[in-house]
Amino acid sequence: GAVVSQHPSRVICKSGTSVKIECRSLDFQATTMFWYRQFPKQSLMLMATSNEGSKATYEQGVEKDKFLINHASLTLSTLTVTSAHPEDSSFYICSAGDRGVTDTQYFGPGTRLTVL
Amino acid sequence: EDQVTQSPEALRLQEGESSSLNCSYTVSGLRGLFWYRQDPGKGPEFLFTLYSAGEEKEKERLKATLTKKESFLHITAPKPEDSATYLCAVRAAGNKLTFGGGTRVLVKP
Repeated sequence: GAVVSQHPSRVICKSGTSVKIECRSLDFQATTMFWYRQFPKQSLMLMATSNEGSKATYEQGVEKDKFLINHASLTLSTLTVTSAHPEDSSFYICSAGDRGVTDTQYFGPGTRLTVL
Repeated sequence: EDQVTQSPEALRLQEGESSSLNCSYTVSGLRGLFWYRQDPGKGPEFLFTLYSAGEEKEKERLKATLTKKESFLHITAPKPEDSATYLCAVRAAGNKLTFGGGTRVLVKP
């Protein structure tokens, strides 16, 4: 159990276009999902907390107008990178909290974004 | 501010050579310390959650322990398939996790 999927796994786009990444909890409901960014050989950096039915909470320094987050249901959150630029190229990972006893966060497989 | 420091940054082991990874933390009101394993190009895979000092958890060749200031991940008789980056994270108030920088482990046959 506790499986989180992400789609797509890899995406290459041109500078100036927008890219949408989906995060789904497959076998549990998640009122809260999290979006992280990871640079090569570095640890995970929390970008925002996605709350079902309400606005996302962004970490300091993360542009909310650039990284749009929607959490429309208990199993789906989306991250849209708007007007992407080469510096947005990164590995984006989502996680979903299992609201059982342990309240553990389970991570998706990640999405590699390359902006040309 | 919550802080998590992992050491060493990298660890090279011979197959069968046991070792320990360290995770030191500073947090107000610990609500869980988490260990994850991450393979290159993949998302972190959950290993353990520890909640209170003295607690221990085991899974195959891995054993995690917790004190009031640090956690250790012991790898007993590692195999090449144990090669990965091991991440430690803490949760205080709310659901946010604060991650350490990770320890890259390479186990040579």
